[in-house]
Amino acid sequence: DAGITQSPRYKITETGRQVTLMCHQTWSHSYMFWYRQDLGHGLRLIYYSAAADITDKGEVPDGYVVSRSKTENFPLTLESATRSQTSVYFCASSYLAGEFSYEQYFGPGTRLTVT
Amino acid sequence: KQEVTQIPAALSVPEGENLVLNCSFTDSAIYNLQWFRQDPGKGLTSLLLIQSSQREQTSGRLNASLDKSSGRSTLYIAASQPGDSATYLCAVVDGNNRKLIWGLGTSLAVNP
Repeated sequence: DAGITQSPRYKITETGRQVTLMCHQTWSHSYMFWYRQDLGHGLRLIYYSAAADITDKGEVPDGYVVSRSKTENFPLTLESATRSQTSVYFCASSYLAGEFSYEQYFGPGTRLTVT
Repeated sequence: KQEVTQIPAALSVPEGENLVLNCSFTDSAIYNLQWFRQDPGKGLTSLLLIQSSQREQTSGRLNASLDKSSGRSTLYIAASQPGDSATYLCAVVDGNNRKLIWGLGTSLAVNP
């Protein structure tokens, strides 16, 4: 029972390159989220998805693209990486427990460095 | 705009002490509040979730309270242990957009 996994765990890429971070969950949770965590900013929501083929922007979506063709996968793509996208990226998933409440479960994170 | 603040930013205590971590939020329109734990280089682990209609939740040595009207939550840790050393994050589900708004966390060190 893997839960929620992210790959790669560490990635170094060059400015201008495209890079995709993978997220996979085994619970069939309807909601999935991508966050970035930076010193002094805490966690910020990049994109989220309420179900397969339904995605929406979060607080800091510029420069990122997401897709969700299957419930269990939610890849995040940096179209043309910039140094400002150096960060730790967390994927999370949740189920809707009651109309307005849900608990989020997090993956281990991907540490991305853009040189 | 909902904002979440955690005080103190860092805390160091001797083993065995009872301690309180604070979380405040600016808009009382929330769906719930969660406390998370983050170990260095690791992901986040959910500790407690308090629904907006609840006043507190307990799990083992942890007790979290919620006062929506004053925009405050506290996480009480009883009989602290070195294994409790981590960063504790508070987050609220905003009532207007259902998004999770995070505090910056309290870094806790429990010294043997």
